[in-house]
Parts: sequence; C-alpha cells; structure tokens
Amino acid sequence: ETGVTQSPTHLIKTRGQQVTLRCSSQSGHNTVSWYQQALGQGPQFIFQYYREEENGRGNFPPRFSGLQFPNYSSELNVNALELDDSALYLCASSLVSTSTDTQYFGPGTRLTVL
Amino acid sequence: QQQVKQSPQSLIVQKGGISIINCAYENTAFDYFPWYQQFPGKGPALLIAIRPDVSEKKEGRFTISFNKSAKQFSLHIMDSQPGDSATYFCAPEAKKTDADSWGKFQFGAGTQVVVTP
Repeated sequence: ETGVTQSPTHLIKTRGQQVTLRCSSQSGHNTVSWYQQALGQGPQFIFQYYREEENGRGNFPPRFSGLQFPNYSSELNVNALELDDSALYLCASSLVSTSTDTQYFGPGTRLTVL
Repeated sequence: QQQVKQSPQSLIVQKGGISIINCAYENTAFDYFPWYQQFPGKGPALLIAIRPDVSEKKEGRFTISFNKSAKQFSLHIMDSQPGDSATYFCAPEAKKTDADSWGKFQFGAGTQVVVTP
C-alpha cells in the first residue's frame, strides 16, 4: 500500500452538479498528478501540480480545476458534471527532486454521474 | 494524438508461461520507461522501470527490454503465476528539462493479462 489516500471512495452526483475530490500525498512528496480512468481504459492525465502551481495539463476542459496546498495535499474540482465524467479518479504523488520519477497512486475515487 | 501504443489489448497465458507486452512511443523526449500493474479496485502500482542508458533490466520474474532506435519497450513476465493476473500499463515520462513534455503523462491503453492455472 502506498501512503497516498483519497476521499471519498465512492460518490454519486447528478448532471450539472459540482464535485470536489481530495488527495493526501505520500509524506515528503511535492508533486501530485490527477488522472481520469474510464472503465476498461488507461488513466488519462488531467493535470499536475508542483509546489502549488499547475505544471502540466492534459486535454481536459477548464471545468476541471485543481489546487495543491502548502502541505502538498490536493483537490480536484469538476464543475457542470456530465454523464461522461463518470470514472475512477486517481491521484498520484511523486518527489520531483529525485531521479526515480516514481509516481505513487492512491486507490481512487469512483464517481458516478446520473 | 496517440503518442503511446500498447499491445496486445489482452493476453491469456498458462501458469509457468511467458507474458510479453509491448509499448511503442513517438516522443523522443521520453527518458523514463515504467510499467505499472493494476488490480481491480486498486490504483496502478509501479512494477519495474528503465532508463534509456540500458537496454534491459530484470527484477525477479519481470524484465524490461528497451529499444531506443525503434522507440519501443516491452515487459516480459517469466514463469507467469495466477497472482500476476492484472492489467498492465506502460507510461513513459519526459525529461524534466523538456518544458513542453514534462509533467504531461501518457498511459498506454492497458493489457489485461489472465494467467490460467
């Protein structure tokens, strides 16, 4: 088990609503990345935060936004939920200063949009 | 555009057999080549990774082979066990000095491996 935790485990929302997902990074890690994983697909990169700044972003609309806090925990916010947003949302933390680039994933939050 | 192509999509292998999964990439800025293993209901976990300065890395029953000129790397699972039944993803990463590519991770579509007893 990694030291990355996510909450909640499961969530059900209706179309048009807003949702906030939370991630607590592994101790000492300064970077967090968020991914969306649809059923049977590989994780799709949403964005990465490094020292509280967005460092990279995948092909996701602006209604997907995030925050990283001074303690390196993180939030993913999704506005105006659509049915296609139903997926497993994963966060992964890493320590950029090392050479290993290893990402440690949390167990994910399963979001269902009705 | 699809910069990372993984094959096959699924694989069934008998216990004791060899599983081989391939990953082809386009971005020459990639310089870290990991394979992740994911079990149902869990997040992916790093299985094994290689840097481009070596062509092969072995850890127990798992081996990565890297072909820089062909822009491909593969995962070999020797003596496959039922506990290896999982989905495997390649997810190459770019150099930190490459401002255009670093921090934009791409996973392959995944290979579901089933090891039969």
